[in-house]
Amino acid sequence: AQSVSQHNHHVILSEAASLELGCNYSYGGTVNLFWYVQYPGQHLQLLLKYFSGDPLVKGIKGFEAEFIKSKFSFNLRKPSVQWSDTAEYFCAVTSGTYKYIFGTGTRLKVLA
Amino acid sequence: DTGVSQNPRHKITKRGQNVTFRCDPISEHNRLYWYRQTLGQGPEFLTYFQNEAQLEKSRLLSDRFSAERPKGSFSTLEIQRTEQGDSAMYLCASSSRGQGVSNYGYTFGSGTRLTVV
Repeated sequence: AQSVSQHNHHVILSEAASLELGCNYSYGGTVNLFWYVQYPGQHLQLLLKYFSGDPLVKGIKGFEAEFIKSKFSFNLRKPSVQWSDTAEYFCAVTSGTYKYIFGTGTRLKVLA
Repeated sequence: DTGVSQNPRHKITKRGQNVTFRCDPISEHNRLYWYRQTLGQGPEFLTYFQNEAQLEKSRLLSDRFSAERPKGSFSTLEIQRTEQGDSAMYLCASSSRGQGVSNYGYTFGSGTRLTVV
């Protein structure tokens, strides 16, 4: 069965620090990969997605993610975080169907 | 486009009671999904509608759970004889035929938080 692992459950950073959140998935076939963000009190919002092509994907708000097929990874990065990036981040995978498999999420707190 | 609307935002109920949640998707979206999110976990798929047809139900959806989407518009999720283990955030999402998960992802609602006491 497909699964998604997010190893960092809680991350605390100071503003301007660089961010990297890990995401690993288990599925042998073709996958589509996503990062969603949930700001406090708000709904899940799509940050970025990967379907094919360039493995370095750029999303909204300065986020990017790199798909490394050999490592089954899709890590999220941001060079310089802001206080407003405080949120919970979810990695998700689908094999092309309508169903997401989500990771357990990473709570990011950015200190001003 | 007012997004996906879910009501109520919060529901506290006593164990054994029935509860019903409502989801109003984006009007032009024909696909609707329910997910459940428990503390410390990511959302888990519950069920999927295409128009009024319920095309898939997860094994997580026990016999006490039922979801409907009459007329292919809003959807309801009912939980009968609630148990403490049902306490969770129930998320609804929608997408259109041309916006499957492989294209643009869903649009999620803000969820209904259920607490069973």
